[in-house]
Amino acid sequence: EVQLVESGGGLVQPGGSLRLSCSASGFTFSSYAMHWVRQAPGKGLEYVSAISSNGGSTYYADSVKGRFSISRDNSKNTLYLQMSSLRAEDTAVYYCVKVPLTGYSSGWYKDWGQGTLATVSS
Amino acid sequence: EIVLTQSPGTLSLSPGERATLSCRASQSVSSSYLAWYQQKPGQAPRLLIYGAFSRATGIPDRFSGSGSGTDFTLTISRLEPEDFAVYYCQQYGSSPPITFGQGTRLEIK
Repeated sequence: EVQLVESGGGLVQPGGSLRLSCSASGFTFSSYAMHWVRQAPGKGLEYVSAISSNGGSTYYADSVKGRFSISRDNSKNTLYLQMSSLRAEDTAVYYCVKVPLTGYSSGWYKDWGQGTLATVSS
Repeated sequence: EIVLTQSPGTLSLSPGERATLSCRASQSVSSSYLAWYQQKPGQAPRLLIYGAFSRATGIPDRFSGSGSGTDFTLTISRLEPEDFAVYYCQQYGSSPPITFGQGTRLEIK
């Protein structure tokens, strides 16, 4: 069974940084691209970032480009999202999601984590 | 970037009725790379439909997807009490970026 467990959320001041982690199990982590998706309180879903299975290709939404950095450690089955220069509008639940097919950088989202809340406020 | 517009914003229906949710894309969605999700309060979204019409594992057959190009539809044939939730469409293409519609809230009338 696929399990994705996010951690690292919390309260941070505007302009600050936060690193989110996603621990994966139940599948061969190194074979799948992974994405981050967020949801602001009471709002809809927003794609944030993606990374290929070997980490060689990364993608970002325009809203976070230059401020967020996605990475992965396939030896630890862990996905990361380093968030810097945080703004109030980055406040959201951040979900880790697995791409369904090997060899693809995109796809539908069958497997989701439970999410971790990042709050940017003074 | 493909923009997805869902309608209506809110749909008020009674259990047993048929629900029809629309998702319109600003440009053609290649190879029907279109998915639908259901989300209940405090929960992560749940995949219902991918590839425009393929039901995900464990999804009841009262849920069906249709459409191609720029116009897609999620139909719930006979609403059960547990179906009242928010529904999102998503286009995923062959590579990022991914985009979501703004959601349709399905509420009990």
